[in-house]
Amino acid sequence: ETGVTQSPTHLIKTRGQQVTLRCSSQSGHNTVSWYQQALGQGPQFIFQYYREEENGRGNFPPRFSGLQFPNYSSELNVNALELDDSALYLCASSFPRDSGANVLTFGAGSRLTVL
Amino acid sequence: GNSVTQMEGPVTLSEEAFLTINCTYTATGYPSLFWYVQYPGEGLQLLLKATKADDKGSNKGFEATYRKETTSFHLEKGSVQVSDSAVYFCALRDGGATNKLIFGTGTLLAVQP
Repeated sequence: ETGVTQSPTHLIKTRGQQVTLRCSSQSGHNTVSWYQQALGQGPQFIFQYYREEENGRGNFPPRFSGLQFPNYSSELNVNALELDDSALYLCASSFPRDSGANVLTFGAGSRLTVL
Repeated sequence: GNSVTQMEGPVTLSEEAFLTINCTYTATGYPSLFWYVQYPGEGLQLLLKATKADDKGSNKGFEATYRKETTSFHLEKGSVQVSDSAVYFCALRDGGATNKLIFGTGTLLAVQP
């Protein structure tokens, strides 16, 4: 079975630009969560998608948005980039909350640098 | 709100030394607890978990016991190897619709030969 794959692995943007990060979930998983990991910090929850709808959101502004597609893959979009958006963005897939096997499987991440 | 506190690193040990990384949590109820490991340049990998009080999670020689009395979930290994060098994150599963994870800040472990 394939794991969680993310693209691109690294990218550099400038302030004010927009970025799209992509994630393919592990086979059989239909729930996708996104986390932001700033340098030297633990990951922080951005939002989760289930059945192509946002299922919950952390403390992030609306310029962070996402999509989930019928094949369960997902995108994270960030508009009007700020320097503090520089971080490793992690995608994690899982079964739905009410499944007894609800354990997150993480991808390797997309490292975003904003100059 | 719920939170996780980990001991600060880096932790530097010689090969075959005993490892303890402290983790305490603040939460309502009894959330599931996890240890994740992040090797250089990689994403997070689940190391072990415990879903209720007094459960012991174990994997690859690592273990941690869910202690509700002390709200702790300390990670231990009897004999570390150089290949264990990584960042270790303690996390709890928050309640609500998403079951999101709340992570500690991570502890860097460096094992020297």
